[in-house]
Order: sequence, then C-alpha cells, then structure tokens
Amino acid sequence: GNSVTQMEGPVTLSEEAFLTINCTYTATGYPSLFWYVQYPGEGLQLLLKATKADDKGSNKGFEATYRKETTSFHLEKGSVQVSDSAVYFCALATSGGSYIPTFGRGTSLIVHP
Amino acid sequence: EPEVTQTPSHQVTQMGQEVILRCVPISNHLYFYWYRQILGQKVEFLVSFYNNEISEKSEIFDDQFSVERPDGSNFTLKIRSTKLEDSAMYFCASGYPRATDTQYFGPGTRLTVL
Repeated sequence: GNSVTQMEGPVTLSEEAFLTINCTYTATGYPSLFWYVQYPGEGLQLLLKATKADDKGSNKGFEATYRKETTSFHLEKGSVQVSDSAVYFCALATSGGSYIPTFGRGTSLIVHP
Repeated sequence: EPEVTQTPSHQVTQMGQEVILRCVPISNHLYFYWYRQILGQKVEFLVSFYNNEISEKSEIFDDQFSVERPDGSNFTLKIRSTKLEDSAMYFCASGYPRATDTQYFGPGTRLTVL
C-alpha cells in the first residue's frame, strides 16, 4: 500500500534560517507528490506539487524535487519567516487510489524572530 | 478566490448524540470528500462522493457515518451516535472536474465529544 514518512517535529528555527523537512514515500504505481500547509486555526492548503520524477514544485519560496531513485520529496526554503510557522504535510496520490491523498503525520515548524 | 466553507467551526456534543457537520464545496466542483484528523495524528480519508453517491470509503467510515448532498450547494457528514474517539477535526474537500489530484480543503470543524 501507499505510505508517507515525514521527519518528526517540531522544527524550530530562527528567522532567515534554511529549512529542510524530509519526506519519503512508498507507493504502487507512479504517484503525484504534494506538500500541504496548515496554518494555526485553518484548513489544509496545497503548497506545491510534482507529478513525475525530477519535477520540481515551487511556491512562496518553498521548493521540493520529486526524486524517484530515493523515493523522496523533501521540502526546502532558503530563508524562513515567522509567518511560515505552520504544520507541513507531505502527501501522495495515485490513480490506482482514485487520487485520494495519503498523508504523512505532519511536521510542525516554529520560526522565531 | 472560491473556497470551501464549513460550519460550525467547533461543535461540542455528548456521547451518543447525533451530529451533522456541514460543508459548502466550491460551486463547480463535482467530487466531494470528508477527512478527519485526530489531535496530533495524520489526516485520514473517510469518504468520497460523486454523482450523488459514495464512490470510495475507508474502514473508518462505518455504519455510524453517512453523507448527503441535500441540495445543490451543501454536503453533510452525519455521525449517528457519537463516541469519545470521534473527537477530531473534520475537513471537507472538493475537486473539479473529475477525480483530480488536487483537492481544495475547508477550514475544518473541530468536534469534541464529552
């Protein structure tokens, strides 16, 4: 079956630090990969996605590259801001799964001024 | 920008009571979903709904749950006899035009069962 493993949180950083949140996956077939973000008190928002190997998704300064050889989709940002504090969820979806996303447990990011 | 809305934002109920969680999906979407997130846990799929019927459901979605699209805009999740372990955040999502791989999530309803 499909599964997603994310690094445990919380991740605590100072403003302008470099961010990496690791995500690896197991999937049957060829998954699409996603990062969702959940700001305090809000629902999930799609942050970025990649649909095939070597694709890079990017949005709001965040990037993630679909690495088929290492089954990974790590989230990175060069300089985090306090407003990036949120919970980040890695997810995958496959056509065989009717595109129902399988989520990781989420990683909380706390950015201090 | 169109968005998925959910009401109420927080629902408190006694064990054994029935609750109905409401969602208004994005108007031109055709696929609708419910997910739940127990505090500190991962987001779990409950059910998907298309063309006025359930298209997929998970093991969690047992006989105590039901979904309905009573009119052209609302999508509801009913829990018939709530249990303590039903306490969670419930998210509605919608997608267009088919089982697309991008879903748009509402802000969630926090259900607390006492």
